[in-house]
Amino acid sequence: SAVISQKPSRDICQRGTSLTIQCQVDSQVTMMFWYRQQPGQSLTLIATANQGSEATYESGFVIDKFPISRPNLTFSTLTVSNMSPEDSSIYLCSVELEGRTEAFFGQGTRLTVV
Amino acid sequence: AQSVSQHNHHVILSEAASLELGCNYSYGGTVNLFWYVQYPGQHLQLLLKYFSGDPLVKGIKGFEAEFIKSKFSFNLRKPSVQWSDTAEYFCAVSGTYKYIFGTGTRLKVLA
Repeated sequence: SAVISQKPSRDICQRGTSLTIQCQVDSQVTMMFWYRQQPGQSLTLIATANQGSEATYESGFVIDKFPISRPNLTFSTLTVSNMSPEDSSIYLCSVELEGRTEAFFGQGTRLTVV
Repeated sequence: AQSVSQHNHHVILSEAASLELGCNYSYGGTVNLFWYVQYPGQHLQLLLKYFSGDPLVKGIKGFEAEFIKSKFSFNLRKPSVQWSDTAEYFCAVSGTYKYIFGTGTRLKVLA
């Protein structure tokens, strides 16, 4: 399995500001994913972050709003830019391990924008 | 379009009651099916998974799920729930495309 640490675990931010969420994995992984879980809704994939290349964004998500870094095989960041109350959500980091079909998740970052 | 539907958003049971949570999916091609659980304050954890073979799969903590291909269903069951099963349960599908998650079912077990 993989142990995934996310920071911060929660934050309350002013609208118009940006927040960077960090995701650290205890082993090297090729694929890292960022999800959003809005209140009462399912997890929605924001983007796939591969080391050494630009992140691949899903429909409805853009790099200017959610820039992602992936400097190495154990770390990634997601920035939520120019926040509005609609960005209030839980953001989750996830990884898949070689040879395993299931995904592993961090504890999530609960973001509230006021 | 790919989708996962969980029929129950909130379920309240007494201890020792039986549990069945419904999950139906719409997904093209070969699928892998999962149930994840999120206990209060903890991260999502894999409860069980199906990707081939026996359609009745057993997971941790006495949970099981049955894949019925003709019904596009993967319902989660437990014969006798415990207070410690209070959590949110997510059904998910993956395959050629990415993971698709259901909206989750919040289970509360009364002691």
